[in-house]
Amino acid sequence: KAGVTQTPRYLIKTRGQQVTLSCSPISGHRSVSWYQQTPGQGLQFLFEYFSETQRNKGNFPGRFSGRQFSNSRSEMNVSTLELGDSALYLCASRFTDSTDTQYFGPGTRLTVL
Amino acid sequence: AQSVTQPDIHITVSEGASLELRCNYSYGATPYLFWYVQSPGQGLQLLLKYFSGDTLVQGIKGFEAEFKRSQSSFNLRKPSVHWSDAAEYFCAVGLSPAQKLVFGQGTRLTINP
Repeated sequence: KAGVTQTPRYLIKTRGQQVTLSCSPISGHRSVSWYQQTPGQGLQFLFEYFSETQRNKGNFPGRFSGRQFSNSRSEMNVSTLELGDSALYLCASRFTDSTDTQYFGPGTRLTVL
Repeated sequence: AQSVTQPDIHITVSEGASLELRCNYSYGATPYLFWYVQSPGQGLQLLLKYFSGDTLVQGIKGFEAEFKRSQSSFNLRKPSVHWSDAAEYFCAVGLSPAQKLVFGQGTRLTINP
């Protein structure tokens, strides 16, 4: 079974632009979570989607948004990019809310210039 | 608010030596506990998890961890490290399997030949 896939793997943007990252969960998984990883703040939870509904949200500004499609694929969007948004964005999927383990993708490395 | 502390930012051990990585958490109740490993440029791979029951849990790659409620700790151990164990290790907690994960800052492990 294929793992969690994220596209693109690398992105370079400039301040003020917006960006969309994509995550395809493991087949059959219905929950997708997003995390931001930076050297200074470490790994921080962004949001979780389950059956196309946002179920949980971390402490990030409204510039960070996401959605989930009927096939469980998820996208996250960051508008009006700032230098501090440079990070590794990790996506994780799990089967349902009763399942214990989150499986992580390789991440998308976003650099904001 | 829940928090996770990994006191050691960087640890260096010789190949073949034993290893213990420390993790302490602050939570109102017994949380769900995880250890993940991240190799350079990669996502997170689950090593092991603790939900309930036997406080000594076995994971992949020869790792084990022990939950100690009295010390609010969940330390990771391996009796003999291999050069391929060089990576960053993250301890994480969650209120339940469905909730977001809160990660420690990570411990970078270097292996001396």
